[in-house]
Amino acid sequence: GAVVSQHPSRVICKSGTSVKIECRSLDFQATTMFWYRQFPKQSLMLMATSNEGSKATYEQGVEKDKFLINHASLTLSTLTVTSAHPEDSSFYICSARDFRRSNTEAFFGQGTRLTVV
Amino acid sequence: GESVGLHLPTLSVQEGDNSIINCAYSNSASDYFIWYKQESGKGPQFIIDIRSNMDKRQGQRVTVLLNKTVKHLSLQIAATQPGDSAVYFCAETFGNMLTFGGGTRLMVKP
Repeated sequence: GAVVSQHPSRVICKSGTSVKIECRSLDFQATTMFWYRQFPKQSLMLMATSNEGSKATYEQGVEKDKFLINHASLTLSTLTVTSAHPEDSSFYICSARDFRRSNTEAFFGQGTRLTVV
Repeated sequence: GESVGLHLPTLSVQEGDNSIINCAYSNSASDYFIWYKQESGKGPQFIIDIRSNMDKRQGQRVTVLLNKTVKHLSLQIAATQPGDSAVYFCAETFGNMLTFGGGTRLMVKP
């Protein structure tokens, strides 16, 4: 299957700093990337959907100025958590899909565990 | 997204038994459905998919059933093994939207 690489896998940062998480599709071109947040023992919550070369579409309740998403190429999307606070601590997961191919699954990165201290 | 703040139900089965995990999806226009397996601290892994014009699809030890009338999806795992212990999510797609169901934690007892 296709591979999506997410980096870093774990990050600890100080409150008030910003953290960038990268999501790369390694062997296919991702027309669309999704960013999810997952709290312990809960399902994945879709934060935003980004299409290559255009602005991300954010889900209701997700602050676009807080969670900056860039999808500049068909193989890379980044999520930047700006001015992070302890309540931003969570597991963040990206997934990628090539919508030019019909009925393709979305491939997931391994996730990033963010801890804000 | 559809799944907001849901705590995961747990299904406990004996090793060797069959498991059935259920999922209710929300959008009657969704055209493609996927089951994912997520192990602790990892991202979801693809298990099996099904298009909306099908009602059953079989893989190796897994079967997905789709009932569009009641917007219900199920995953059947035959001869459940300890390695099957994980959280299982269904996902539905419509256009470029991919949203997850609530998920079920499967625990396999030896």
